[in-house]
Amino acid sequence: AQSVSQHNHHVILSEAASLELGCNYSYGGTVNLFWYVQYPGQHLQLLLKYFSGDPLVKGIKGFEAEFIKSKFSFNLRKPSVQWSDTAEYFCAVNRGGGSYIPTFGRGTSLIVHP
Amino acid sequence: DGGITQSPKYLFRKEGQNVTLSCEQNLNHDAMYWYRQDPGQGLRLIYYSQIVNDFQKGDIAEGYSVSREKKESFPLTVTSAQKNPTAFYLCASTRRDTNEKLFFGSGTQLSVL
Repeated sequence: AQSVSQHNHHVILSEAASLELGCNYSYGGTVNLFWYVQYPGQHLQLLLKYFSGDPLVKGIKGFEAEFIKSKFSFNLRKPSVQWSDTAEYFCAVNRGGGSYIPTFGRGTSLIVHP
Repeated sequence: DGGITQSPKYLFRKEGQNVTLSCEQNLNHDAMYWYRQDPGQGLRLIYYSQIVNDFQKGDIAEGYSVSREKKESFPLTVTSAQKNPTAFYLCASTRRDTNEKLFFGSGTQLSVL
């Protein structure tokens, strides 16, 4: 069965620190990849997505992610975090094959201290 | 404004009781989903529906049931067979384009009395 692994469950950073959250998936076929964010008290929302083309994708609020096919990875990065980035981050993979059935990772809770 | 509406926001279930969570969308989306969110376990798929009058089991369907009689509605029933129902339930929808993102509702927190 396909799975999505997020390596960091809890991350605590100070403002201006750099961030990298790991995401690996096990599906061997063509994939579409997503990062979603859930700010405290808000709906889950899309941060960025990859479906083809340039493997380095940029999203909202200065986030970016790099798709490395050989490593089955889609890590999320931000050079300098802010207090307002405190949230839960979820990596998701679309299983493809004509259906749209996103599978989510366990999530990473990020706390940024001012 | 278009979006997904989940109700109620909080729900309490007694032992042996079935409860139904509502999910309505006015985005004209074909596909709808129910996820369960538990701390440290991320979002796990309960059921999904890609078209009206059709739905499929997800990874943790046992103890749950759904219906999809209308395009805009996808209610979830948590039955008495679900022994650990306390969780945050999220409904989502999308157009079915594989590049499209999911739109999420605000969720329902279900607790057992």
